[in-house]
Amino acid sequence: SQWGEENLQALSIQEGEDVTMNCSYKTYTTVVQWYRQKSGKGPAQLILIRSNEREKRSGRLRATLDTSSQSSSLSITGTLATDTAVYFCATPLNTGNYKYVFGAGTRLKVIA
Amino acid sequence: EAGVTQSPRYAVLQEGQAVSFWCDPISGHDTLYWYQQPRDQGPQLLVYFRDEAVIDNSQLPSDRFSAVRPKGTNSTLKIQSAKQGDTATYLCASSHRVGTEVFFGKGTRLTVV
Repeated sequence: SQWGEENLQALSIQEGEDVTMNCSYKTYTTVVQWYRQKSGKGPAQLILIRSNEREKRSGRLRATLDTSSQSSSLSITGTLATDTAVYFCATPLNTGNYKYVFGAGTRLKVIA
Repeated sequence: EAGVTQSPRYAVLQEGQAVSFWCDPISGHDTLYWYQQPRDQGPQLLVYFRDEAVIDNSQLPSDRFSAVRPKGTNSTLKIQSAKQGDTATYLCASSHRVGTEVFFGKGTRLTVV
């Protein structure tokens, strides 16, 4: 498998807290996508980060990519109940390949 | 603009039955993907097209699954003889071209009993 974590992780936090979700991957990559999937919906891309960026922000979201440790993280600051969803990271199977492989995901529940 | 449209939203089958899923991608998107998402797992790519051509179908169980996109627009994914292990949500996605942002439909939830 592409990813270190094979099972869906679960987190439950209070609204307003900050949260960081992590992914580690087994094969070298220069790009990671983060997706959010709400119940009954398809995944929606949040951030695409490349190795030359190291860190990328979008509103309350912040993604990092560390190719040396083969890991990526997604942080959400000031969480809202509407952030409740499953969050996935995805990376190409091979360099230059657009066949993206998804991790098992993190189920985040934000309690109002 | 309209998003990716899939139908049906739900399907329940007996083992051995056939089923087809239909996808209408975002207008102008040349790349179309079909994913299988088992419960509590990430989506797994089955096949993807650029226009009407299959680019990669290496993960598509070819003995029972088939996918077509004859005019480079809408697409159909068919399961000939469903098995309980096929129980999953089937997601269609499209992008303007390979490597750009991918937009997903809501999916078809299939249950095989």
